[in-house]
Amino acid sequence: EAGVTQFPSHSVIEKGQTVTLRCDPISGHDNLYWYRRVMGKEIKFLLHFVKESKQDESGMPNNRFLAERTGGTYSTLKVQPAELEDSGVYFCASSHEIGAVQRISYEQYFGPGTRLTVT
Amino acid sequence: AQSVTQLDSQVPVFEEAPVELRCNYSSSVSVYLFWYVQYPNQGLQLLLKYLSGSTLVKGINGFEAEFNKSQTSFHLRKPSVHISDTAEYFCAVRDFTGGGNKLTFGTGTQLKVEL
Repeated sequence: EAGVTQFPSHSVIEKGQTVTLRCDPISGHDNLYWYRRVMGKEIKFLLHFVKESKQDESGMPNNRFLAERTGGTYSTLKVQPAELEDSGVYFCASSHEIGAVQRISYEQYFGPGTRLTVT
Repeated sequence: AQSVTQLDSQVPVFEEAPVELRCNYSSSVSVYLFWYVQYPNQGLQLLLKYLSGSTLVKGINGFEAEFNKSQTSFHLRKPSVHISDTAEYFCAVRDFTGGGNKLTFGTGTQLKVEL
């Protein structure tokens, strides 16, 4: 079974440019999460999709970030325009949780991350 | 809001020595607790998790952790480390406030095993 994949693995862009990160979750996983780790700090939640719907986007830093999950499969995270403080590692995770029984905690499987450097 | 504290940013240890990586959390509701490991150039991998039941949880690669509700701690231990355990370790908590699914992570502990 293929794991969570992310593309690209690294991206170096200049301030003001646009970057799009992609995440392919494990097949059949309805839940997809984006997290970010700024260097030396904790991994922070950005948002959560259930299929194609945004379930929780409370962690999105500002409106320069746009996440989509068309068709409930892969997801993209676009940063436009990028700022220096957007540099970090962006992780995607997916999980398989059925129905509304929220207390059944299925593991979140993480991808290798995309290292974004804004210069 | 909940938070996770990993006081040790780096822990050096000699091979075959025991190790404990500390994790404390703050939450006023029931939580699930996790330890993840990130090996160089790889994604996060789940080491172990506490959902309910026995407070001593065993994970992969010989790691275990003990949930202590009164001290709000979930320390990770291994009785004898190997050079291959060199990695960054993250403690995380998930609570159910508002039906949320997100994980809250600590800042990570870099474990360096030396010969």
